[in-house]
Amino acid sequence: GQNIDQPTEMTATEGAIVQINCTYQTSGFNGLFWYQQHAGEAPTFLSYNVLDGLEETGRFSSFLSRSKGYSYLLLKELQMKDSASYLCAVLDSNYQLIWGAGTKLIIKP
Amino acid sequence: ETGVTQTPRHLVMGMTNKKSLKCEQHLGHNAMYWYKQSAKKPLELMFVYNFKEQTENNSVPSRFSPECPNSSHLFLHLHTLQPEDSALYLCASSQEGQGNTEAFFGQGTRLTVV
Repeated sequence: GQNIDQPTEMTATEGAIVQINCTYQTSGFNGLFWYQQHAGEAPTFLSYNVLDGLEETGRFSSFLSRSKGYSYLLLKELQMKDSASYLCAVLDSNYQLIWGAGTKLIIKP
Repeated sequence: ETGVTQTPRHLVMGMTNKKSLKCEQHLGHNAMYWYKQSAKKPLELMFVYNFKEQTENNSVPSRFSPECPNSSHLFLHLHTLQPEDSALYLCASSQEGQGNTEAFFGQGTRLTVV
């Protein structure tokens, strides 16, 4: 079967760095997405990786290793507004998005 | 504002009621989706419409009935739901045919079945 694993919840301190991991087992791979979802809001696109390596966008970076079936989202200089759920999703061989359950990130002052 | 609008934002309905959820996208996309999001569970894909044709129905109970009258509008008709159907229902759209098929989501309808 297809499976996406990510931690249920993480806590970090304002100004610090946090890494949210995602491992996947899917039938085929056509890219991996990270989305941010604030409580009661729509998920919004953060990043897309299809090749191995690191993609950086401002304070956020996303890394992919296809051979290991592994990705992480790195958030630097954490701000209180970064408190949200972070969803990992993989585009499989049928171009269907397979979703993880999301990681709830709690930022403390 | 993501370009995808869902109404209503909140809905409480009894098990014998009939209601409809509405989704509208202003992005010119050719594919629309209904997802169910339950607490601490992955997003569950329910239905996919591509160019107004239903291309995916992930074994969804018949008490959920989708309708896609055109490429900009998507409905989810609800009938005789169960309490376990209470969840956040998300609509999304994307442009199929491109490698990076980023999905744009609406803010969802929080449904409570009593």
